[in-house]
Amino acid sequence: DIQMTQSPSSVSASVGDRVTITCRASQGISSWLAWYQQKPGKAPKVLVSAASSLQSGVPSRFSGSGSGTDFTLTISSLQPEDFATYYCQQANSFPITFGGGTKVEIK
Amino acid sequence: QLQLQESGPGLVKPSETLSLTCTVSDGSISSSRYYWGWIRQPPGKGLEWIGTIYYSGSTYYNPSLKSRVTISVDTSKNRFSLKLSSVTAADTAVYYCARQVGTTSDYWGQGTLVTVSS
Repeated sequence: DIQMTQSPSSVSASVGDRVTITCRASQGISSWLAWYQQKPGKAPKVLVSAASSLQSGVPSRFSGSGSGTDFTLTISSLQPEDFATYYCQQANSFPITFGGGTKVEIK
Repeated sequence: QLQLQESGPGLVKPSETLSLTCTVSDGSISSSRYYWGWIRQPPGKGLEWIGTIYYSGSTYYNPSLKSRVTISVDTSKNRFSLKLSSVTAADTAVYYCARQVGTTSDYWGQGTLVTVSS
């Protein structure tokens, strides 16, 4: 199985801050990576697929990058509605595996 | 707009079988473009993939759950189902169904909490 390691597990930030979340795969997955946002009591929502392809309707302040084993999700200017937990997921092969999550909290 | 809705008992006794159904609306489960999956999330914890099915019936399971999981599809009713046997308290979680493009889940149900308790 491909293990996904996210860091940090939590981050405190202010509105307007730039936030970067990293995800590392235990083996190369090319660009087969997705990022999800989850708010309390809600289902996850896919933000980015194929490492850098922004889903329709997702604000352009979100961006994804990386390939191989190292990936990042960047929020260029944090907005109040962005406080949530973010998960990466390798989309290279079954079994599907997720990172442990990064909680973005208000500073 | 595609919608997925989980249904099933919210309380299951230890050692029994958890059974959930996901009904798909405003879209066909028989589309060759998509897979259909189950993901769960224990309270306060992260996401765990359970398994995925294609409309043809091909299945893929999490190795850690494989001996206890069965996912099936009913194309005539546009729904797919999850059965998890021999449940314990560790299986208490919010269970989500989702549409998958490849292995990326682009539409999710709202989730249903299943508690394992006597």
